[in-house]
Amino acid sequence: EIVLTQSPGTLSLSPGERATLSCRASQIVSSSFLAWYQQKPGQAPRLLIYDASSRATGIPDRFSGSGSGTDSTLTISRLEPEDFAVYYCQQYGSSPITFGQGTRLEIK
Amino acid sequence: EVQLVQSGAEVKKPGESLKISCKGSGYRFSTYWIAWVRQMPGKGLEWMGIIYPGDSDTRYSPSFEGQVSISADKSSSTVYLQWSSLKASDTAMYYCGRAPNYYMDVWGKGTTVTVS
Repeated sequence: EIVLTQSPGTLSLSPGERATLSCRASQIVSSSFLAWYQQKPGQAPRLLIYDASSRATGIPDRFSGSGSGTDSTLTISRLEPEDFAVYYCQQYGSSPITFGQGTRLEIK
Repeated sequence: EVQLVQSGAEVKKPGESLKISCKGSGYRFSTYWIAWVRQMPGKGLEWMGIIYPGDSDTRYSPSFEGQVSISADKSSSTVYLQWSSLKASDTAMYYCGRAPNYYMDVWGKGTTVTVS
């Protein structure tokens, strides 16, 4: 099973700043089959990025994904107030499919 | 509009059975995988399994194999998640999601299951 470790656990930033979230896999994630989701309190998760770097429909271009192999990154170029939430990575290149434990992005 | 509508909240006793549902609309239901994800209170996301409604091909995460059953009725565009004997540890929010390539691009709002 591929274990995904997200860091940091909590990230405290201010609106307008740049956020960099990391997702490290215990094994290579084949074909960059990695996704990122955002979850706000009381809501279902929302797909942001799939295939490591492809933005989902309707996702603002301040969100970008990068990386390959075992290391992936979600970057939010300029934080908006609505971006403060929990973010999860997911690998779907190897069975069983797994999620990271999440990074909480909070307002500083 | 592509939508997944999940059944309502459930409160059950340990040992009871339960079947929750996820109904798709706005797209060709039988041609997209549907996945189930568990989120226990205050915790992260856990992949449970996935089904292809077109032929009911089903795959389970090892952690959930034998603990739940996933099924589909393509005639009603509905996927189900079922327990035969609930435990208190099954208390969680359960989400279904459309999974075009095993990532989930459309999510239901979730079904809360409380076992107490």
